[in-house]
Amino acid sequence: GAGVSQSPSNKVTEKGKDVELRCDPISGHTALYWYRQSLGQGLEFLIYFQGNSAPDKSGLPSDRFSAERTGGSVSTLTIQRTQQEDSAVYLCASSRNYGYTFGSGTRLTVV
Amino acid sequence: KNQVEQSPQSLIILEGKNCTLQCNYTVSPFSNLRWYKQDTGRGPVSLTIMTFSENTKSNGRYTATLDADTKQSSLHITASQLSDSASYICVVTPSGTYKYIFGTGTRLKVLA
Repeated sequence: GAGVSQSPSNKVTEKGKDVELRCDPISGHTALYWYRQSLGQGLEFLIYFQGNSAPDKSGLPSDRFSAERTGGSVSTLTIQRTQQEDSAVYLCASSRNYGYTFGSGTRLTVV
Repeated sequence: KNQVEQSPQSLIILEGKNCTLQCNYTVSPFSNLRWYKQDTGRGPVSLTIMTFSENTKSNGRYTATLDADTKQSSLHITASQLSDSASYICVVTPSGTYKYIFGTGTRLKVLA
């Protein structure tokens, strides 16, 4: 597609439930990143993919968070047993050489 | 302490006025510095990118400057428009890494 697509755009879930967030990067972009943006905070790095492998997962805040990427394209960020502090906007970005193109994000609200 | 600090946190100006947003960083060495605009509910969009050796870069009414000696960058917006209302984020890429270090942004509100 023309841009980075994320779905859903909004997700409200009950505490303790699992959620899956999807990112469809720009075709041909080998690098893919997940970021989290909490209210009033800057962007927090979560994980970086190069192709299907994730050489840097250092930003994942706990083992409840995991991500995968298949076919060098679509990526899924999974949060298990969601907590209220997981409420944030989750942004995906893809890159080929220079710069990022961001998706519009998924706003996750845990109630 | 954040490695990329922005000021002011928020700013309100009248349409047509100019404004300057500041970014101070401690990241060193770095390969490039970017300014992004983020509309509410949208992902950040790149405005300018400067390498460590560049002093200024313009994109329409947006002009970014960089002083590598003082580790400061500024984003100047000329003849502001209502559509400039957004958050402006300064992003620094350390040399030899793919990671971006984001500032917390300046929230700009342009009033009619």
